[in-house]
Amino acid sequence: DAMVIQNPRYQVTQFGKPVTLSCSQTLNHNVMYWYQQKSSQAPKLLFHYYDKDFNNEADTPDNFQSRRPNTSFCFLDIRSPGLGDAAMYLCATSRDLGTGEYIQYFGAGTRLSVL
Amino acid sequence: EDQVTQSPEALRLQEGESSSLNCSYTVSGLRGLFWYRQDPGKGPEFLFTLYSAGEEKEKERLKATLTKKESFLHITAPKPEDSATYLCAPGGQGGKLIFGQGTELSVKP
Repeated sequence: DAMVIQNPRYQVTQFGKPVTLSCSQTLNHNVMYWYQQKSSQAPKLLFHYYDKDFNNEADTPDNFQSRRPNTSFCFLDIRSPGLGDAAMYLCATSRDLGTGEYIQYFGAGTRLSVL
Repeated sequence: EDQVTQSPEALRLQEGESSSLNCSYTVSGLRGLFWYRQDPGKGPEFLFTLYSAGEEKEKERLKATLTKKESFLHITAPKPEDSATYLCAPGGQGGKLIFGQGTELSVKP
């Protein structure tokens, strides 16, 4: 089945040790998003790619970076994780942005723990 | 400033006891209102999109409705498997979703 796949499901890292989370999609969607969701909170958009165009949210810390090497894959890099970065990280895709088909489909998430 | 408020924060129902979840919003340039279901430790699962006031959509025991300032998710005769957090997300400028805090629904047998 076509879907959004996130790896790993669980990631443990040490304070300050860089970590990369990955997302792949078989939906052939143009847009890929990364969200951060902390316990009992709403998902918070970090950034998104429309094709190769990167769009950062104004309040996303510089510690968070992203790469999209091709249509199918997108990576979230956390350069120096702090304790406050422990959260669920969600990847989502949509066919378009704002007009047309832009229902967002989510992956299962990666739960990041920082020790 | 765009705002979304969901109520109640938590709702406990007995199996078969119907109820409604509310989503109030103030969003400029609204482009659709989305409902998602999220189970613990998983990503949100898409349920419905509503685009205009008066629109209704149904799926099994769920029905979503939309007015100019609110959306309701009605749950008829819920079952324990309907237990989850339900997220409301109006679509704003550029198609970005503005998520509410969610309503945590628990249905007891």
